[in-house]
Amino acid sequence: SQKIEQNSEALNIQEGKTATLTCNYTNYSPAYLQWYRQDPGRGPVFLLLIRENEKEKRKERLKVTFDTTLKQSLFHITASQPADSATYLCAPYQLIWGAGTKLIIKP
Amino acid sequence: NAGVTQTPKFRVLKTGQSMTLLCAQDMNHEYMYWYRQDPGMGLRLIHYSVGEGTTAKGEVPDGYNVSRLKKQNFLLGLESAAPSQTSVYFCAAQVIGQPQHFGDGTRLSIL
Repeated sequence: SQKIEQNSEALNIQEGKTATLTCNYTNYSPAYLQWYRQDPGRGPVFLLLIRENEKEKRKERLKVTFDTTLKQSLFHITASQPADSATYLCAPYQLIWGAGTKLIIKP
Repeated sequence: NAGVTQTPKFRVLKTGQSMTLLCAQDMNHEYMYWYRQDPGMGLRLIHYSVGEGTTAKGEVPDGYNVSRLKKQNFLLGLESAAPSQTSVYFCAAQVIGQPQHFGDGTRLSIL
């Protein structure tokens, strides 16, 4: 069956460092992959979408890569700030979602 | 600009009671979705709609019904609530190929 895996353990990063989150998928080949941010008590908010023919996508301090050979997407936040603390979700398409990785940026 | 609005925000039900969750969007998006989110699990799709008057089952449809009589509204019904339906429910609206827009959820407890 189709499966999306994100690191279930919280990721603790020191402020100013780069945070890297991983999304692995199995048993299918998505045409695109999305990353969302979710704050406690709120719905997910869209951040970035990367298509299968794009190796990398950037938006301000955010960068997403998409490796169709490894079946993996990496999400990077550079110069991380405490305000970046949230849960980050990946979704190859709207019908299947990863469980999310909780990111904690420590001052 | 409200986007996607879910009502109610919180609700406590007794086992066997029924209720309807309302999702309203003001973006004129064709696609709408209902998900449930449980601790440690990703969003799981309950039902979705690709347009007014159409609905389809998602991954976990049992115990739920939906209706989309108007393009802007997508209703999720629980006919006979069970404790296993305790969850946070999210609605989303979308133009296909574009990102989804989510509401802030309905927190439902079934006692």
